[in-house]
Formats: sequence, structure tokens, C-alpha cells
Amino acid sequence: GAVVSQHPSWVICKSGTSVKIECRSLDFQATTMFWYRQFPKQSLMLMATSNEGSKATYEQGVEKDKFLINHASLTLSTLTVTSAHPEDSSFYICSAPPRGTNYGYTFGSGTRLTVV
Amino acid sequence: GENVEQHPSTLSVQEGDSAVIKCTYSDSASNYFPWYKQELGKGPQLIIDIRSNVGEKKDQRIAVTLNKTAKHFSLHITETQPEDSAVYFCAASGSSGTYKYIFGTGTRLKVLA
Repeated sequence: GAVVSQHPSWVICKSGTSVKIECRSLDFQATTMFWYRQFPKQSLMLMATSNEGSKATYEQGVEKDKFLINHASLTLSTLTVTSAHPEDSSFYICSAPPRGTNYGYTFGSGTRLTVV
Repeated sequence: GENVEQHPSTLSVQEGDSAVIKCTYSDSASNYFPWYKQELGKGPQLIIDIRSNVGEKKDQRIAVTLNKTAKHFSLHITETQPEDSAVYFCAASGSSGTYKYIFGTGTRLKVLA
């Protein structure tokens, strides 16, 4: 149980274009989704927290106009990297706590974004 | 805010030996400490966790200990196998009344056959 499906697993895009990453909770309802960014051989850095039906909360230093987050339903949260640049290339991962608990967060499989 | 330090950054052990990874946290309000295993190119997988009202938890070859007074917790893997090779992350949660995970810097474990 508690599976988070993340797509795409990898994407290559040109500078200036936008990329959308989707995370779906398959067998539970996720009222909250956490979005992380991970550079090679580094730790996971929390970017933002999305809440179903309300605006996302961004961590300090994360540009909310560049990283658009939408959490339109209890099973889907999306991250859109707008006007991507090479420095946005990274591994993006979502995570959700099963509804009703704040423990045992489940992570998606990650999306490797390469901006050329 | 919460800060989590993790040591060592890399660890090599012979197959069958034990591996220990240590983490310290700064905020005494943190009350939940999960450990994740991340294989190359994949998302982290929860392997064990512990809450602040417990001092030790064990699941087969994996155990976690928590010392609230010293604000540190450790992951113990016994009888290591090559498939245990991965990057392990500790995390702390519950600081400032939030449920965000603050991750350690990770430990790259290599089990030598």
C-alpha cells in the first residue's frame, strides 16, 4: 500500500521551455505532497509543500513563479518547471504521507530533468 | 530550524559484517526519525523509523536506536549483504510543530562481496 507514482521518470528539454512532473497517490488520498530536489551525490532539499485545494508553501529561496505547484485533487499533485534553464537540471522527487498520519512518508520514483 | 548531521559520508564493509550510521539533530522538539534507502536513480524507500517515545526498534537485520538526551540516533545493519549497498538517509520530523522531514547528508554504503 501507499504507492506514489511519479511521471515522467526522465525528461530532456530545451532552455526556455516548461516541463510538468506529475505525482499520483495510487491507493491512498494525499492531502499533502512534498516536493524535493536532489543534486548528484547530495541530500534531498525540500522545495515546497502542496496542499489539496490551497496554495503551496514554498521554502525560503525557492522561486514560486518558476516552480509552479498544483494540487487539484486528493490523488494528484504537479510541479511545473517554467522557463527551464540548465541550472534547473536535477532529480525531482515527490513524497506524501498517507492520509490520516504524519509518519512513513512514501516517495515517488523521481524525475531526472536535463535542460539543454 | 532543525539541522541534521549524518556520519560517515561513505562506509565500506565486508559482506557479513555490521554497518552503523549515526545522525544527530539539533531541535529537541523533533519526535520522529525515519531512515530511507536510496538506490541509484530511484526514490528513497523507508526502511525503518522510530518515534521519540521509544529507545530502540528492530526489524530483522535492521535496527535503530534513539538517544533523546544526546539528540542522536543510529542505524544498525547486521549481516550485511551486497544488496544493502545504497545511499542511506536519516531524517528528523516534528520540529516547530511541522511534519516536514529534514534530511541528513546521506551515507553511501558499499558492501564488499
